[in-house]
Amino acid sequence: SQTIHQWPATLVQPVGSPLSLECTVEGTSNPNLYWYRQAAGRGLQLLFYSVGIGQISSEVPQNLSASRPQDRQFILSSKKLLLSDSGFYLCAWSPLRETTTYGYTFGSGTRLTVV
Amino acid sequence: QKEVEQDPGPLSVPEGAIVSLNCTYSNSAFQYFMWYRQYSRKGPELLMYTYSSGNKEDGRFTAQVDKSSKYISLFIRDSQPSDSATYLCAMTGYKLSFGAGTTVTVRA
Repeated sequence: SQTIHQWPATLVQPVGSPLSLECTVEGTSNPNLYWYRQAAGRGLQLLFYSVGIGQISSEVPQNLSASRPQDRQFILSSKKLLLSDSGFYLCAWSPLRETTTYGYTFGSGTRLTVV
Repeated sequence: QKEVEQDPGPLSVPEGAIVSLNCTYSNSAFQYFMWYRQYSRKGPELLMYTYSSGNKEDGRFTAQVDKSSKYISLFIRDSQPSDSATYLCAMTGYKLSFGAGTTVTVRA
């Protein structure tokens, strides 16, 4: 069966420090991968999605970047964190070419607090 | 105007009550409709999935879709404290579009 791993679960970082969040998927090949941010009471904001290795689409301009160095690995990064980067970050995957019918499977999330 | 509108609540009900949640949408291209449940500090998990207009039941949960009105609903019968969570509606165009989520508390 397919599983998605996301870590760390909780992170407290000072303003101006770098960020690296990692997500891996097991049990499937060629998944679509997504990074979302969830702010309290504001729902899910799609940050990046990827349909293949090295293929990244950005949904909103921001202080963050994403990379997909391997088929089932998705990384969210920042060179210098801002206070506004605080939030709950979620990684998700969906089967390639079946995204619109089966929805996404989410990881357990990373709660990032920038201080 | 947002593509998907969902009342964020919060909604508080006594145990055993019927919980009624709904979303409206503006994009006629949406064809697949889902409800996700998200417990505190966890990722959302798929709860219900529907395609056509009409009702779909799964245990205590009923999902309802009215494409002509662009309106979807989720009903939880005989609600339990374990149903306390945030419920997000979602629907698909070329990507999944989410509602803001409704926070539900079921009081024992």
